[in-house]
Amino acid sequence: NAGVTQTPKFRILKIGQSMTLQCTQDMNHNYMYWYRQDPGMGLKLIYYSVGAGITDKGEVPNGYNVSRSTTEDFPLRLELAAPSQTSVYFCASIMDRSGNTIYFGEGSWLTVV
Amino acid sequence: GENVEQHPSTLSVQEGDSAVIKCTYSDSASNYFPWYKQELGKGPQLIIDIRSNVGEKKDQRIAVTLNKTAKHFSLHITETQPEDSAVYFCAASMWERDDKIIFGKGTRLHILP
Repeated sequence: NAGVTQTPKFRILKIGQSMTLQCTQDMNHNYMYWYRQDPGMGLKLIYYSVGAGITDKGEVPNGYNVSRSTTEDFPLRLELAAPSQTSVYFCASIMDRSGNTIYFGEGSWLTVV
Repeated sequence: GENVEQHPSTLSVQEGDSAVIKCTYSDSASNYFPWYKQELGKGPQLIIDIRSNVGEKKDQRIAVTLNKTAKHFSLHITETQPEDSAVYFCAASMWERDDKIIFGKGTRLHILP
């Protein structure tokens, strides 16, 4: 059981470039989340999805886009990368609202130079 | 929206002593309070959680207490061991109202030999 899988693990981007962070889960979870973690700042919610075809903004959505075409996949798109987007990104999933355990991926380290 | 404050940001305790991490939340409607442990280079993992209809919950050396009136909850780790060294995050959510979990900024716990 792979759980939540994120790729790539590490990436260096130049200012203005675009890229997609991939996230897939094999637990048939309905809810998926993207967080960013800056040093000393905890986890900030970027976008989330409660099911295929449904997405919503979190606390810090600017500069990002998401899509949820399938239950398994929840990619995060960075358009026109900026140094402020240098961070560690975590994808997470949970079955539903009943308070089950949230499962996090291993993280994606992104540096924008 | 919900705001979660976590203290201290860094905590050092002697091996074998107890560690306490405290969090406060702003939204009195929040009813689910999980704690996560994040080891270096890994994603956060749930270690214990508590719901608003319970005042305390224990799991071996870990316990969480909740004071709904004061809107604060705490993580207690007894008989600390070197493997307890990690970053700990508290979080709060109100599942029946929305689909988001809001995290504190984290506490880096160092267990001293």
